[in-house]
Amino acid sequence: SQQGEEDPQALSIQEGENATMNCSYKTSINNLQWYRQNSGRGLVHLILIRSNEREKHSGRLRVTLDTSKKSSSLLITASRAADTASYFCATAGGYNKLIFGAGTRLAVHP
Amino acid sequence: DVKVTQSSRYLVKRTGEKVFLECVQDMDHENMFWYRQDPGLGLRLIYFSYDVKMKEKGDIPEGYSVSREKKERFSLILESASTNQTSMYLCASSLDVQGRASQYFGPGTRLLVL
Repeated sequence: SQQGEEDPQALSIQEGENATMNCSYKTSINNLQWYRQNSGRGLVHLILIRSNEREKHSGRLRVTLDTSKKSSSLLITASRAADTASYFCATAGGYNKLIFGAGTRLAVHP
Repeated sequence: DVKVTQSSRYLVKRTGEKVFLECVQDMDHENMFWYRQDPGLGLRLIYFSYDVKMKEKGDIPEGYSVSREKKERFSLILESASTNQTSMYLCASSLDVQGRASQYFGPGTRLLVL
């Protein structure tokens, strides 16, 4: 399985701090995507990074991809209470569909 | 603004009932997906469709069927609901079926089977 696995499972920080979440996967990929899910809601796409890219930015989000280590990280800078959510990585490769990991639960305390 | 809607946010059904979950997207996407989400297991793909009247099994299709009569609508059917189908069901649509593009999700339906 090329399922992404997020680490840590849960993260608790104070507002203003940075939050880093990691994702590891098992087989080669075409791209890796990060999604956010607010409690009890659907997922929202955050960012897609292709296998030939190493880093990508979107606002306060920074995603890196290391295909040699089969890992990715999502950094949220200057976190806010509104960033409290679960974050999922999803991998896509070959003819496979997107496969989601179990997620990291982030709690940002005011 | 893109939109995926699901017919119910919460649903309570009895064991053995036939259950219909509806999903509608307004983005003219050819590809639509049904997932279920359970704590600690992430999202698991039940079925997907890459065109009207076309469907393919995902990872956990047992006990489910789907219908895609129109491009914008993708229905998930629980033929005879069982308690182990209590879950959060998420519908998504995408420009691509192989994960090369992002997926747009509906708000989810939380189903409880008694």
